[in-house]
Amino acid sequence: EAGVTQSPTHLIKTRGQQATLRCSPISGHTSVYWYQQALGLGLQFLLWYDEGEERNRGNFPPRFSGRQFPNYSSELNVNALELEDSALYLCASSHARTSGRAYNEQFFGPGTRLTVL
Amino acid sequence: QKEVEQDPGPLSVPEGAIVSLNCTYSNSAFQYFMWYRQYSRKGPELLMYTYSSGNKEDGRFTAQVDKSSKYISLFIRDSQPSDSATYLCAMRLFSGGYNKLIFGAGTRLAVHP
Repeated sequence: EAGVTQSPTHLIKTRGQQATLRCSPISGHTSVYWYQQALGLGLQFLLWYDEGEERNRGNFPPRFSGRQFPNYSSELNVNALELEDSALYLCASSHARTSGRAYNEQFFGPGTRLTVL
Repeated sequence: QKEVEQDPGPLSVPEGAIVSLNCTYSNSAFQYFMWYRQYSRKGPELLMYTYSSGNKEDGRFTAQVDKSSKYISLFIRDSQPSDSATYLCAMRLFSGGYNKLIFGAGTRLAVHP
């Protein structure tokens, strides 16, 4: 079974530009989560998509946005990039929140390393 | 105050040592408690999760939860160089469809031969 995939692996942008990061969940998973992992700060929750809808977002400004496509893949967009946006962006997937499972494990992809110069 | 506090390390131990990793949390609404392992340039992978207070064992790993003290631990017995990684504790909040993991900052562990 293929795991969560993310592209690109690395992305270099300059301040003010826009970045688009992509994620393909594990087959059968309909929930996608985005996290930011900045140096020394651990993983910070960004966004949760479930069955095509945004269910929750973390404490990030509106220039962080995304969407989930009908095939459950997802895109994270970061507008007006700032230097402090440099981080590893991780995507995770799980079964739907309505799956009835008591615990829904989130499986992580390898991440996209975004560097803002 | 952060919702989840984790000893930052780094921790360096000799092969065969017992390793203790710890986190404290402030939100009593957390329902699941997880430990993830993250190797360099990889995404985190789930090691163990627990729901209730007490111990849960899986091979050389033991996860311990004390809800009354809001404290969780991960013990690694007979540590190996392959255990060298960053260990992240995480707590899950799920209420009324609100679902997210809150992570600690991670403890970097190095096991040297």
